[in-house]
Amino acid sequence: RKEVEQDPGPFNVPEGATVAFNCTYSNSASQSFFWYRQDCRKEPKLLMSVYSSGNEDGRFTAQLNRASQYISLLIRDSKLSDSATYLCVVNGSGAGSYQLTFGKGTKLSVIP
Amino acid sequence: DTAVSQTPKYLVTQMGNDKSIKCEQNLGHDTMYWYKQDSKKFLKIMFSYNNKELIINETVPNRFSPKSPDKAHLNLHINSLELGDSAVYFCASSQVASYTDTQYFGPGTRLTVL
Repeated sequence: RKEVEQDPGPFNVPEGATVAFNCTYSNSASQSFFWYRQDCRKEPKLLMSVYSSGNEDGRFTAQLNRASQYISLLIRDSKLSDSATYLCVVNGSGAGSYQLTFGKGTKLSVIP
Repeated sequence: DTAVSQTPKYLVTQMGNDKSIKCEQNLGHDTMYWYKQDSKKFLKIMFSYNNKELIINETVPNRFSPKSPDKAHLNLHINSLELGDSAVYFCASSQVASYTDTQYFGPGTRLTVL
């Protein structure tokens, strides 16, 4: 099982749609979870951290299910500017706990 | 006022050459990283330095040698470049070496080996 696996994508959705991305991770000792966003030919940027209780930031909602080792990202009312690749990120364990492992990313295209 | 900067942005070179990529952060962070993003878009950690000391050294060929002259700089030197080294190399920094800390990435250096 890959360390961090994401929906294969790409997701092509119309403006205004709600879209959800899923991610599973293999390391049960991981304690930190993030969603990063990467625009085409640009660097990754933190979108939001993911907390056990779930958290929301405007149109974006992140959920964590530790028992299933599953993370999700929900985007409501999609905008054209949301088009990007979304990277699921978790930290390692033990000596590598500050080391981040990135998923391959899910590409989202929001179409007018 | 760029937070994490890298030079050069593009690097095209022949196999067998030696090249360096420079990274600087002006955020006052203690920890810096080098990542490689290959053609399949996987972003993988290569090295991490905390206060000029190496703390992560993933399984990369020893042709890759990082150097941190001070905590604001982490350079990457690559010897005897190979075709498979073609990728985008990202530098990043975080305040401390903590898994809760946000990592800030530089704009990347697109390396093409011919």
